[in-house]
Amino acid sequence: AQSVTQLGSHVSVSEGALVLLRCNYSSSVPPYLFWYVQYPNQGLQLLLKYTSAATLVKGINGFEAEFKKSETSFHLTKPSAHMSDAAEYFCAVSVSGGYNKLIFGAGTRLAVHP
Amino acid sequence: SAVISQKPSRDICQRGTSLTIQCQVDSQVTMMFWYRQQPGQSLTLIATANQGSEATYESGFVIDKFPISRPNLTFSTLTVSNMSPEDSSIYLCSAGQGVNTEAFFGQGTRLTVV
Repeated sequence: AQSVTQLGSHVSVSEGALVLLRCNYSSSVPPYLFWYVQYPNQGLQLLLKYTSAATLVKGINGFEAEFKKSETSFHLTKPSAHMSDAAEYFCAVSVSGGYNKLIFGAGTRLAVHP
Repeated sequence: SAVISQKPSRDICQRGTSLTIQCQVDSQVTMMFWYRQQPGQSLTLIATANQGSEATYESGFVIDKFPISRPNLTFSTLTVSNMSPEDSSIYLCSAGQGVNTEAFFGQGTRLTVV
């Protein structure tokens, strides 16, 4: 069975600082991993995905994530935070054989202050 | 990509009543899913909506409480039956084309039961 753990329910950074949101996964098969962002009162938007190609994945809005099998991690980073990055971020793993069926982590709320 | 429209976007309902949420995709999709996001929490998969057959429910969710229809490849409905305040959540529709593709999400239906 697959699962996802996001370390840190709240992360606060200064504008211009590095953003690091942590995600660890558990999967008995090679995983497909995703990061989604949810802005207030909106649905989910895909930031990036790992589907067994390059281990360093670049997404939208300057975000990237690195798949590390040895650490079972898929941490999300952005070199320089912007005020507009303030949102809820969800890491998710695709259920094996489950065609877009996702298991989500608990989420991390990112706050960006001036 | 796929654009998913959900109706209604929000509703306030009396306990004991039922609400049907509609999900319309702008293109034919292989998979459709329904998720629940309880206040301040992550997304939990309710069921997979199967075209032309009964939905597949996750543990803890039953058809009598959450009947689902999917009459074609672009449309699905979720009914929340005999509602109680504990059903107050955001309900999200998701759709995708299968492995190695992303899952798209609707904007969600914010349900408040009083």
